[in-house]
Amino acid sequence: DVKVTQSSRYLVKRTGEKVFLECVQDMDHENMFWYRQDPGLGLRLIYFSYDVKMKEKGDIPEGYSVSREKKERFSLILESASTNQTSMYLCASSLFLFDREGEETQYFGPGTRLLVL
Amino acid sequence: AQSVTQLGSHVSVSEGALVLLRCNYSSSVPPYLFWYVQYPNQGLQLLLKYTTGATLVKGINGFEAEFKKSETSFHLTKPSAHMSDAAEYFCAVSSGGGADGLTFGKGTHLIIQP
Repeated sequence: DVKVTQSSRYLVKRTGEKVFLECVQDMDHENMFWYRQDPGLGLRLIYFSYDVKMKEKGDIPEGYSVSREKKERFSLILESASTNQTSMYLCASSLFLFDREGEETQYFGPGTRLLVL
Repeated sequence: AQSVTQLGSHVSVSEGALVLLRCNYSSSVPPYLFWYVQYPNQGLQLLLKYTTGATLVKGINGFEAEFKKSETSFHLTKPSAHMSDAAEYFCAVSSGGGADGLTFGKGTHLIIQP
């Protein structure tokens, strides 16, 4: 079974702090993703990565950055946390396919619920 | 650009009744479509997906969905609801290849009445 783990289930930080959310997958997947989930808004893509040291902005990258130094690990960084970044953060991973051969399933971690005070 | 609309943020059905969760999408290329389920305090789990081929797709836990290109829809159904089906359901679309991320609907909270 694919396993995606996230470093914390719950996190409480203060405004202005630098926050690191870590995600690790054990299936040698090329693609990794960070989403945030808010009530009534569904999931929105923050950043994704299709290879080590590669990153692409998603729909809402402002206020976030990411790091992918190893294939299995994808970190989401809040440089200076703000209260509007209080949310549930979900990490996912999938295989990479060429030439639109299909769509591999994204496997999700359990989520990190972040509260910024 | 692609988008997903889920009709109804909350749907309530009686145990044993038909479950119908609606999803409409827009996509500039032939879409790949997904339904995910999220149980309380958990991550998302794939219920089923449509990529190519048969337009009626069967998933886990007795759910199925039908891709209707003419209606740009991918509605999720289950003939008989069970209490354990109570959860949040998300429809999602992608353009394929796996590298661009999914675009999700806002979710539908399914409530099962005893």
